[in-house]
Amino acid sequence: SQTIHQWPATLVQPVGSPLSLECTVEGTSNPNLYWYRQAAGRGLQLLFYSVGIGQISSEVPQNLSASRPQDRQFILSSKKLLLSDSGFYLCAWMTGTQQQYFGPGTRLTVT
Amino acid sequence: QKEVEQNSGPLSVPEGAIASLNCTYSDRGSQSFFWYRQYSGKSPELIMSIYSNGDKEDGRFTAQLNKASQYVSLLIRDSQPSDSATYLCAVNADSNYQLIWGAGTKLIIKP
Repeated sequence: SQTIHQWPATLVQPVGSPLSLECTVEGTSNPNLYWYRQAAGRGLQLLFYSVGIGQISSEVPQNLSASRPQDRQFILSSKKLLLSDSGFYLCAWMTGTQQQYFGPGTRLTVT
Repeated sequence: QKEVEQNSGPLSVPEGAIASLNCTYSDRGSQSFFWYRQYSGKSPELIMSIYSNGDKEDGRFTAQLNKASQYVSLLIRDSQPSDSATYLCAVNADSNYQLIWGAGTKLIIKP
C-alpha cells in the first residue's frame, strides 16, 4: 500500500530564515505530487505540483520554491521566510482516478 | 475562475440524526468529485469519491451527484460525535492534474 511521509511535523522559524520541507511517497512510482498550504481556519491553497522528476508547476507567486530531485521525493524551500508563510503545509499524491492522499502535514510558525 | 462553493457553517446536528452537506461547482466539464474529512489540526482524509450521476453509499456515508444542477452532496446517517470535523468538497479541474477545493463546512454533532 502507498504511504506518504512529511517532516518535520512542527517547525518554528524566525523571519528571514531558510526553509526546507520534505515529502516522500512509498508504494507507487511516478506519482503526481502536490504542495498545499492551509492558513488557520481556511481552505487549501495549491502552491506547486509536479508530474515528474524535475517538472514543477507553480500556482502562486511567492518566495517559495519546490524541487523534485527523485521520483518519490518532493521538497518545498524558501531562502527567506516571511510572517505570512506561517501555516499548515500539506503534501499529497494523486492516483490514476484523481483521488488525492495527504501526508500528516507540517505546521510552520514564523516568528 | 473555476469555483467550488460550500456553506462554511458551522452546521449543528443532533447525535443520531442525518447530516447533509452540500457543494456546488462552476465547471460543467468536471468529472470527478470527492469528499474529505479534516479533523482539527490533522490532514484531510478522503472519505468518498463519486464519478457518475446518482447516489453512492459506503457505510453511513452517501454521496449524491447531480451534474445537471452542478451540485454534489454528502449525507451522514446516524451521526456520531466523532463525525464532528470540517468536510471539504473537491472537484477535478480541466487539466486533470489538479483538484479545485471548497473552503469546507464545519460540522458539529451534539450529543
